[in-house]
Order: sequence, then C-alpha cells, then structure tokens
Amino acid sequence: GAVVSQHPSRVICKSGTSVKIECRSLDFQATTMFWYRQFPKQSLMLMATSNEGSKATYEQGVEKDKFLINHASLTLSTLTVTSAHPEDSSFYICSAEPGLAGPSSYNEQFFGPGTRLTVL
Amino acid sequence: AQSVSQHNHHVILSEAASLELGCNYSYGGTVNLFWYVQYPGQHLQLLLKYFSGDPLVKGIKGFEAEFIKSKFSFNLRKPSVQWSDTAEYFCAVNRGSSNTGKLIFGQGTTLQVKP
Repeated sequence: GAVVSQHPSRVICKSGTSVKIECRSLDFQATTMFWYRQFPKQSLMLMATSNEGSKATYEQGVEKDKFLINHASLTLSTLTVTSAHPEDSSFYICSAEPGLAGPSSYNEQFFGPGTRLTVL
Repeated sequence: AQSVSQHNHHVILSEAASLELGCNYSYGGTVNLFWYVQYPGQHLQLLLKYFSGDPLVKGIKGFEAEFIKSKFSFNLRKPSVQWSDTAEYFCAVNRGSSNTGKLIFGQGTTLQVKP
C-alpha cells in the first residue's frame, strides 16, 4: 500500500509553454501533498504544501504565479509550470501524507517517482 | 531557520565495511526524524523514522539510527554494507509540534559500495 504516482515521468517542452504534472495517491486519501524540486546531485527543496480544497502554501522564494498548484481531490494534486524557461528544468517530486484514517501514521510521507522536466 | 546538515557528501566503502552517516539539525523543539534512500533511478523510500521512545531506531535492510538529543544528531549506521546499498541517502526533519508534515532535507550523501 501507500503508492504515489506521478505523470508524466519525463517531459520536454519549448520555452514559454506550460506543463502540468499530476501526482496521485493510488491507495489512500492524501489530505496533504507536497511538491519538491531536486537539482542534480542536490537535496530536495520543498516548493509548496498543498491541502485538499484550499490554496497551496508556498515556500519563500517560490513564485506562486509560476508554479500553480491545484489539489482538487483527496487523491490528486497537480503542479503547472507556467511559461516555462530553461532554468525551470529540474526533477519535480511530489509526496503525499495520509489522513488519520490512512495506511500509516501521521507525518509520514510517501513519495512519487518524480518528473524530469526539460525546457528547451 | 531550521536546517539539516549531512557531513559526508560522498562516501566510498568496500563491501562488508561498516557505515555511519552523520546528520545534525538545528531546530531545538520537538522533532520527528527520518532517513530516506534513493536508489539510482528510483523514488525516495523511507529507511527508518524516529518519533519518540527508544532513541535507537531499527529500519529496513539492516539500517539503524540513533537519536542523540543533546547533540541534535540522528546518525545512520549499518554494520556491514552491501553493493546493493549504493544509493543517495537523505536525512530529513519535521517539527513534531507542527500540524504539517513539512520536511526539511539534508544535502544528501552519495554512498558508493565497491564489490
């Protein structure tokens, strides 16, 4: 149990276009989902916290108008990179935290496999 | 600001050698502590976690970690590594008193085990 999927696994787009990345909790309901960004050979940097049915909370320095997050259901959160530029190229990872009725204890997150975004 | 520091950036060991990876955090309140592993081409997996209780925590694949509150440390250990342990290891901290699962990750340590 506790599987998180991401789609697509990799995407290449032209500069100026928008890209949507989906994060799904497959076998549990996720009250909270997190979006991270990972640069090569570096750690995960939290971008935003997404709660179902409410606005996402962005970390300092993350442009909320550029990285649009929608958490419309308890199993799906989406990250849209708007007007992507080459500097947005990165590995984007989501994680999902179950509600109290979920398969694990509070505060444990389950990670998706990541999405490699390349902006030409 | 809360931070997590992993002292070893790149560790190279031979099989059967013992492993210890350091992790220190700066937050002084109640914390939850985690070690995650990322095998090449795979997603992050939880190795072990500490919420409360016995400060010596045993995880999967023979890993363990010890929480030393006075040293703000949560070092990862394994008595005898295998080639399959080659991976990236991340220490992470969550404020135990918060209502979110927000994780602060360390920089990561690349472990290379030579057969």
